[in-house]
Amino acid sequence: DAGVTQSPTHLIKTRGQQVTLRCSPKSGHDTVSWYQQALGQGPQFIFQYYEEEERQRGNFPDRFSGHQFPNYSSELNVNALLLGDSALYLCASSLTGGNSPLHFGNGTRLTVT
Amino acid sequence: AQSVTQPDIHITVSEGASLELRCNYSYGATPYLFWYVQSPGQGLQLLLKYFSGDTLVQGIKGFEAEFKRSQSSFNLRKPSVHWSDAAEYFCASGGSYIPTFGRGTSLIVHP
Repeated sequence: DAGVTQSPTHLIKTRGQQVTLRCSPKSGHDTVSWYQQALGQGPQFIFQYYEEEERQRGNFPDRFSGHQFPNYSSELNVNALLLGDSALYLCASSLTGGNSPLHFGNGTRLTVT
Repeated sequence: AQSVTQPDIHITVSEGASLELRCNYSYGATPYLFWYVQSPGQGLQLLLKYFSGDTLVQGIKGFEAEFKRSQSSFNLRKPSVHWSDAAEYFCASGGSYIPTFGRGTSLIVHP
């Protein structure tokens, strides 16, 4: 049973560029959440997708956008990259309804130079 | 707004010693509470969760946590630490399946 998979594992971009990160949820899960984890910090909630709609959003600018596909996989897009966007981006999946905790992928390490 | 405080940035213990990691939450109602562990370069793995019922929760890898409403705490414990327990530990609290994470406690284990 495959867990949450994220790609790529590492990425280096230049300021001003755009980036797309991908996530496939754990089998049977229908909800995907994205978190940003800066070095030495806890994960910060970016947004959550369910039924291809953004269900809830954290305190992140509109430069951060996402998408969920019919097969429940998801993408995180970040436009106009800033140095401060350098972080580990974590995808987590869960099952809507009931007491379903988050299952995390290993993350994508984004470095902005 | 809900928040989670992990007052200890680093904790150092000797292998075989007992461990307690502190966590305090701020939330109006009874929250959902979680402990996750993160090894270097990895994602977060769920150790245990509390939703309701018995306030002493058993998790994986020999960990347990106790919910104390009067102290707004959910401390993580282990009676005997192994070298492989060295990692970053995150407490999280949420009322809508979107947990808020603390900043983490780094556990260092001396042989």
